[in-house]
Amino acid sequence: ILNVEQSPQSLHVQEGDSTNFTCSFPSSNFYALHWYRWETAKSPEALFVMTLNGDEKKKGRISATLNTKEGYSYLYIKGSQPEDSATYLCAFRRGGADGLTFGKGTHLIIQP
Amino acid sequence: DSGVTQTPKHLITATGQRVTLRCSPRSGDLSVYWYQQSLDQGLQFLIQYYNGEERAKGNILERFSAQQFPDLHSELNLSSLELGDSALYFCASSVDSSGVYQEQFFGPGTRLTVL
Repeated sequence: ILNVEQSPQSLHVQEGDSTNFTCSFPSSNFYALHWYRWETAKSPEALFVMTLNGDEKKKGRISATLNTKEGYSYLYIKGSQPEDSATYLCAFRRGGADGLTFGKGTHLIIQP
Repeated sequence: DSGVTQTPKHLITATGQRVTLRCSPRSGDLSVYWYQQSLDQGLQFLIQYYNGEERAKGNILERFSAQQFPDLHSELNLSSLELGDSALYFCASSVDSSGVYQEQFFGPGTRLTVL
């Protein structure tokens, strides 16, 4: 059984503040790490796909880093806005033919 | 709008029944993935099809089966339904066969309620 852990489970952040959260995954047999944003009443939307140790990806105010040797990825949001409120999911893919394993997500609430 | 469509949006049925969920991938995507989202559970990968062939299998029960047709749409069949099968079922698609290196595009989901 693969364990993909996300912390914290939920997070309240003031509008304008920056924040970050963590995804931990098994470091062996790593293939890829995906990040998705899931807004209430919508479907998950891809943010990043990361495959190489040391990868850093950025999309607007959101960025992510990857450390495959120690098995973690960070997602950063700079200058949080109300529209950033969502659940952020990470998903790990190891070698083999068994699909993505998702964490339970970090539920982010931006308070005006 | 991701370009992935799923029907129906909602489905209410009784225990012991059988239902079929349908998914059409984004234009050009050859891979279709099925996921189950239950209360207190993360998204659980069920199965992947690529260009009509089963590619990867996750925690899919024997009572569940899927297929992908020549026009690339996919159906997930759930039989002998139990109360615990009540969940949100998502379909996703991607252009690649591995499901690894390319992002997946999720449909709006089908909410299944088993009474």
